Amino acid sequence: ILNVEQSPQSLHVQEGDSTNFTCSFPSSNFYALHWYRWETAKSPEALFVMTLNGDEKKKGRISATLNTKEGYSYLYIKGSQPEDSATYLCAPPKGFKTIFGAGTRLFVKA
Amino acid sequence: NAGVTQTPKFQVLKTGQSMTLQCAQDMNHEYMSWYRQDPGMGLRLIHYSVGAGITDQGEVPNGYNVSRSTTEDFPLRLLSAAPSQTSVYFCASSYRQQGPITYGYTFGSGTRLTVV
Repeated sequence: ILNVEQSPQSLHVQEGDSTNFTCSFPSSNFYALHWYRWETAKSPEALFVMTLNGDEKKKGRISATLNTKEGYSYLYIKGSQPEDSATYLCAPPKGFKTIFGAGTRLFVKA
Repeated sequence: NAGVTQTPKFQVLKTGQSMTLQCAQDMNHEYMSWYRQDPGMGLRLIHYSVGAGITDQGEVPNGYNVSRSTTEDFPLRLLSAAPSQTSVYFCASSYRQQGPITYGYTFGSGTRLTVV
């Protein structure tokens, strides 16, 4: 993996469904991985900063795991709600330079 | 605290004009960055700074200049606007957690720029 890749590009789920998406990143010279939530017409907001292999972070119904050896992180949303509709971005900073993946756009239908 | 403040919120420029997008933060953050948001391309890094007097190029620096004379301010200058610079611009700031690891970025509300 040369760059940050997020999959899927977009996801449509029904209210109440649980969902997850993937961020893949170069595993060499790993420092940390950031997850952000970006609602339409707003600014991105930081969700998690993950640093250790095996890390798991949780914020309400959203959680994330990290595997630095194989270079991936999963974001899970349990019981999706319409207000979870947003683009979810990941970014593995390289030193002081933070480059974002293209994001996964989540649509939650009531 | 105001957080990260960007001005103006909207701007229309003619091709060839120059302008400065302003960004100020009041959180004493060391790190500041400028991104542009283009449809289907997410956020792309233009320039970033790790402290007053220190700046570096990101992914798409051509056509833009930055300077960081104070910790608080990080203006982005468009030298000669082109239609390809039509975009939404976001300024963001953060601070060191440990070593090279930073906390998550705080973003400004964005500047929507149209070049005609």
